[in-house]
Order: sequence, then C-alpha cells, then structure tokens
Amino acid sequence: EAQVTQNPRYLITVTGKKLTVTCSQNMNHEYMSWYRQDPGLGLRQIYYSMNVEVTDKGDVPEGYKVSRKEKRNFPLILESPSPNQTSLYFCASRGGGLYEQYFGPGTRLTVT
Amino acid sequence: GQQLNQSPQSMFIQEGEDVSMNCTSSSIFNTWLWYKQDPGEGPVLLIALYKAGELTSNGRLTAQFGITRKDSFLNISASIPSDVGIYFCAGQLPPGNTGKLIFGQGTTLQVKP
Repeated sequence: EAQVTQNPRYLITVTGKKLTVTCSQNMNHEYMSWYRQDPGLGLRQIYYSMNVEVTDKGDVPEGYKVSRKEKRNFPLILESPSPNQTSLYFCASRGGGLYEQYFGPGTRLTVT
Repeated sequence: GQQLNQSPQSMFIQEGEDVSMNCTSSSIFNTWLWYKQDPGEGPVLLIALYKAGELTSNGRLTAQFGITRKDSFLNISASIPSDVGIYFCAGQLPPGNTGKLIFGQGTTLQVKP
C-alpha cells in the first residue's frame, strides 16, 4: 500500500530536549516536505526536499532542521524544542512532474 | 510570505444543501489543489487543477481554476454528513517544479443531518 508514515504519532516533551520525528514514504517520490498546522493558520511549510541531499527552507524554518540522506526518509529534528513549537506536524511527499502531495497521518507534539 | 485567502472560514449547513468555497491570491499560481482533512487525519487530495479555466469533477465535487490564475473554487453538491471536515486549497507558484506549496487557512464544514 502506497503511504507516508510518521513516528511518533504523539509526543510530549520538555523545553530543550532534542527530538526527532521520522517520516518515510514507499512511493519512490523525489519531493518531501514538512508542515505544521496551527488553529486559524492552516498548513505552513517548514522545510522541503527536492531529492537526496537537496533541502530548502519553507515559510517557518526557524528552530527546525531536516536531512535527506535516503530518498524514502526525511526526518524533522528539533535541536532545542520550545513551547511555541507545540503543534500538529505533517510530512508529505510527491512524485516529480506532479503536484499532488500525499500526507502522513500527523504527529501531535507538545512541548512543556 | 505568499498567502492564500480562503473563504468562508466555516460553514454550518443542512444535509442535502450545496456548498461553495473559494481561494484567492494576489499572486499567479501554476496549479491549484483541494484537500479534505478529517479529524485526527492528514489532508487527503480531492482535486488537482493544472490549467487556467479548467473545470474538474470528482463525484459530487467540482473545482475550477480561475481564468486569471489567481483564484479557485470548490463546490460540493447535495452534501451528506461524511462531508464534515476541513477543506484546504493549495497553490503552486511559478516558475517551476519546486516542492513549495502555499495553503489557505481552511474552511471548516459542518453538516446537520
């Protein structure tokens, strides 16, 4: 089954404790992205990647890092999480030449 | 950054009614996408539009890519309770095939049986 998976689905952590949210897709897609969703603000892009070792900032990249060492994986790293990063996070992927993005199930992060 | 203005923000309608929502921007877009998000789930693609003036249907859903390339609308006919959710528009800016999509703020739809 074609899908985008994220782990963990739920995470509660404390300020300053480094964390990684994993994202994996099995569709051999070139493009992958991370979004955060906050009430009233819709989906805002954090980072995106056009292929292995090619990443770029989205609209709200501050406080986040990403890496794309393999085509299927695109982890999101919060080196020093803060409470304003409490949000619902989505990973997405799409194939080259098409704009239809497929989203993962989401990771709800709470930073206290 | 770039913004899409999506309206209305929320709708509460009776089952069987038709629904219309739209997105506008001051920028030109290459592509318009419409997504639906159910509670606790990720957004699911409903319709993709690639050409100005294009009108595309998916069951009871119809979407159009505006002639000016700065707007798009989504219509849902004969709404049913499972249409409940948040609907998002998203646009791809020119010039090219990058990974960047801009999303609207979403329209929350509630359907009364």
